[in-house]
This record gives sequence, structure tokens and C-alpha cells, in this order.
Amino acid sequence: DTEVTQTPKHLVMGMTNKKSLKCEQHMGHRAMYWYKQKAKKPPELMFVYSYEKLSINESVPSRFSPECPNSSLLNLHLHALQPEDSALYLCASSRPQTGSSSYNEQFFGPGTRLTVL
Amino acid sequence: GENVEQHPSTLSVQEGDSAVIKCTYSDSASNYFPWYKQELGKRPQLIIDIRSNVGEKKDQRIAVTLNKTAKHFSLHITETQPEDSAVYFCAASRDSWGKLQFGAGTQVVVTP
Repeated sequence: DTEVTQTPKHLVMGMTNKKSLKCEQHMGHRAMYWYKQKAKKPPELMFVYSYEKLSINESVPSRFSPECPNSSLLNLHLHALQPEDSALYLCASSRPQTGSSSYNEQFFGPGTRLTVL
Repeated sequence: GENVEQHPSTLSVQEGDSAVIKCTYSDSASNYFPWYKQELGKRPQLIIDIRSNVGEKKDQRIAVTLNKTAKHFSLHITETQPEDSAVYFCAASRDSWGKLQFGAGTQVVVTP
């Protein structure tokens, strides 16, 4: 399996709903990322997990809550979102470079298109 | 933090011509520079990358050059084809956590 998969593909939710986005990879990668991408803009980093531990939180509001249950799965729990949170949410993964703690290229999933009403 | 500037924002080329996209970065400690291609409604896909110990890298019709002294790197696409039409993003990072700082993107349109 050489892909990052994400579910669902599309999600519409109200501002009072609670929902979760899921990301999965079976490439043995030990770093996983959440990005937010608005139309015609580059991806913006939200969170980084390294060896299942949260290593970077880019000052993301607490209504977004990441979780990494194991080395293959990454979740993003959503609660009380705002309409401006509507965007494409991308997951990515990468593996450590052999012999160092650094990381190689990031592989992106297809994304979840989120609409908040 | 790192700041990456990318130019031009749009680029129209005739099929068969070359396309060049340029990026500059601010953090002299950055040492990994990937380029991603994103077609409409699809995921960003890595097309080529370069590390700071290399000045140039080529893969078929695509090449990337890096000038560490001037802190800029460029993507060159030769013999462009309609399927090269997409948004291209450059990015830069330090090694340790793989945190990528993306440029604003270049919309490339290849007309037959």
C-alpha cells in the first residue's frame, strides 16, 4: 500500500456538530501531518505527529483536536466549528531519513472537503 | 520563521515551450526544497525535490536548481504539455521536523 487515504471525502456540518476526519497510511511512515487548504492558497500546517506524539501545534484553535491512536492512523476531531473553517483538510505522512532524525518527502492524502454551515 | 516567496503567480505557455517558476526563501538553515503539483480538486503531488548539498537535479522534462548563497531555487519544465497545467507550489524546510513552508503557488496554463 503506497497511499495515504482519508475519509470522508466530503463533510457538511453545522456549527454545533461534532465530527471526525480520518487518515490512514500503511507505508511505515512515522510522521503524520494535518494541513488546511483554502481555495487558491497553499496548504497551511496545523499539526505534526512524530512517532505518535504531537510535536508541532501551529497555534490551532482548540475546536480542532488531533489524535494519533497508532502509527498508521491520524484523526482530527471537530467541534463547534465556524463557517470560516470550511476548507480542504489534507493529511500527509513521511518517514525518517535513514540514519538521522530528519524527514523525507511528505505524501499527501486526497483530502476531506469540509463545509461548515 | 521561514518565509517563501514564489513568482509568477500565473504563467501561460504554449505547448512545447519551457516554463520557469522561481522561489526565494529567508531561513538560511533551510536545506530541503520540494516542488508539488496540484491539479484541480486533487491532492498535492511531489514532482521533484532538492537538498542543499546539491545545486541541480533533473528528472526527464523537469529540473530544479538551487542557489544557496542567494537563497533561491527554481523549477524548470521543458517541452510543456497540456497535462502540465496545474498549480505548482515550492516549499522549504529545515530537516528536523519536516515542517514545510509553502510558497503562494503558480497557476500554469499550457495552451495547445
